[in-house]
Amino acid sequence: NAGVTQTPKFQVLKTGQSMTLQCAQDMNHNSMYWYRQDPGMGLRLIYYSASEGTTDKGEVPNGYNVSRLNKREFSLRLESAAPSQTSVYFCASSGSGSGNTIYFGEGSWLTVV
Amino acid sequence: GENVEQHPSTLSVQEGDSAVIKCTYSDSASNYFPWYKQELGKRPQLIIDIRSNVGEKKDQRIAVTLNKTAKHFSLHITETQPEDSAVYFCAARPKAAGNKLTFGGGTRVLVKP
Repeated sequence: NAGVTQTPKFQVLKTGQSMTLQCAQDMNHNSMYWYRQDPGMGLRLIYYSASEGTTDKGEVPNGYNVSRLNKREFSLRLESAAPSQTSVYFCASSGSGSGNTIYFGEGSWLTVV
Repeated sequence: GENVEQHPSTLSVQEGDSAVIKCTYSDSASNYFPWYKQELGKRPQLIIDIRSNVGEKKDQRIAVTLNKTAKHFSLHITETQPEDSAVYFCAARPKAAGNKLTFGGGTRVLVKP
């Protein structure tokens, strides 16, 4: 039982390049999330998927797209990377409903130069 | 939407002393308040949570208190140990937000031996 697995762990991109962060969970959770973490700003929600086939914008969705490929997988795409997207990205998952614990992946360190 | 403020941003304590972190939230409909601990380079992990129908919850050396009237909640760590050194995040979830959390900016706790 690996929990939440995300790849890649580290990536350097040039401005304007595109890339996709992959995430998979093996806990049979309905809900999945993508957060970004910047110094002093906590964790901010980029996109959220309550269940397979649904996605919803979070606090900071601009510049990102997501795909909930199936119940297990939730990917985050940067179509044209910008230096402001340099951050640590965390995928997470939880059961449905309020009060379910959110479990995080190990994080992906992304630098855009 | 919900707004969560967390204080202090850094906290240095002597081993064995207590540490207190405070958070305020803006949405009176929030009903779930988890605390996450993040060690350097690691993922955030849930350490304790409290629901709006409870005023206090304890788990060994950590406790959380909630004041719904004042819209603030606090994390208390007693008898601090070096392994308590980490960044701590509070979060709040409005009832209407599904399972989406809004995080505070984090508190870096350093426990000095």
